[in-house]
Amino acid sequence: DGGITQSPKYLFRKEGQNVTLSCEQNLNHDAMYWYRQDPGQGLRLIYYSQIVNDFQKGDIAEGYSVSREKKESFPLTVTSAQKNPTAFYLCASSVGRQPQHFGDGTRLSIL
Amino acid sequence: GQQLNQSPQSMFIQEGEDVSMNCTSSSIFNTWLWYKQDPGEGPVLLIALYKAGELTSNGRLTAQFGITRKDSFLNISASIPSDVGIYFCAGQPRRIANFGNEKLTFGTGTRLTIIP
Repeated sequence: DGGITQSPKYLFRKEGQNVTLSCEQNLNHDAMYWYRQDPGQGLRLIYYSQIVNDFQKGDIAEGYSVSREKKESFPLTVTSAQKNPTAFYLCASSVGRQPQHFGDGTRLSIL
Repeated sequence: GQQLNQSPQSMFIQEGEDVSMNCTSSSIFNTWLWYKQDPGEGPVLLIALYKAGELTSNGRLTAQFGITRKDSFLNISASIPSDVGIYFCAGQPRRIANFGNEKLTFGTGTRLTIIP
C-alpha cells in the first residue's frame, strides 16, 4: 500500500542527546514536511523540502536539522540545542497542488 | 508564524446532533483544507476547497470556502460516535509562483466529544 511511514512510534531522549526521526513515503511525492504538535495547539512547520537536496526552514526550525538525499526519505534530527523537544512530530508529503497527506506521527519524550 | 482562529475550541454534543465549526484569518487564502485527527494518529484529509464561495460535501460533512477568502466552515450532520476527534482547518496563501507547494497555516483545532 502507498503511504507515509514514520518511525519509531515512541522515542525517548536523554539530556544532551541528538535523536533522529524517520519519515519514508512511497507515494512518489516531490514535497515533504515536518511539523511539531503540542497539546491544544495546531501544527507548526519545522522544515520542508520541495525537491531532493533542497530544504527550507519553517516557523520553528531552531534546534532541528533535516536532510533530503532521496525523494522517498526526509529524516528529522532533534538536536541537543532544542531545549523543549517533548512533542508529537508529524511528517507529511504532497505533489503538485494536491493537499498534504500525513504519517501517523512520532511521540518524543525526555527521560 | 501565523495561526488561524478556529472555533469553538471544544464541543460536547449528543449522538445525532449536527455540528458546526469555523476558521477565520486576517489574511486571504487560496485554498482551505479540513482535516480530522484521532488520538495518537496523523491528521486525515476530509475536504479540500479551492474557490471562494465553493460548497463541498463528503458524506455527512459539508465545508464552505468563505466569499471573502478569509474564512471557512465545516458542518457535520447527524453525528455518530466515530466523529469524535480533533478537527483542524488549514489554509494556503495566494499562489505567487506557478509551481511548488506553499506552506499551510493550521488552526488550533476543535475537539469534538459525543456525550452518551
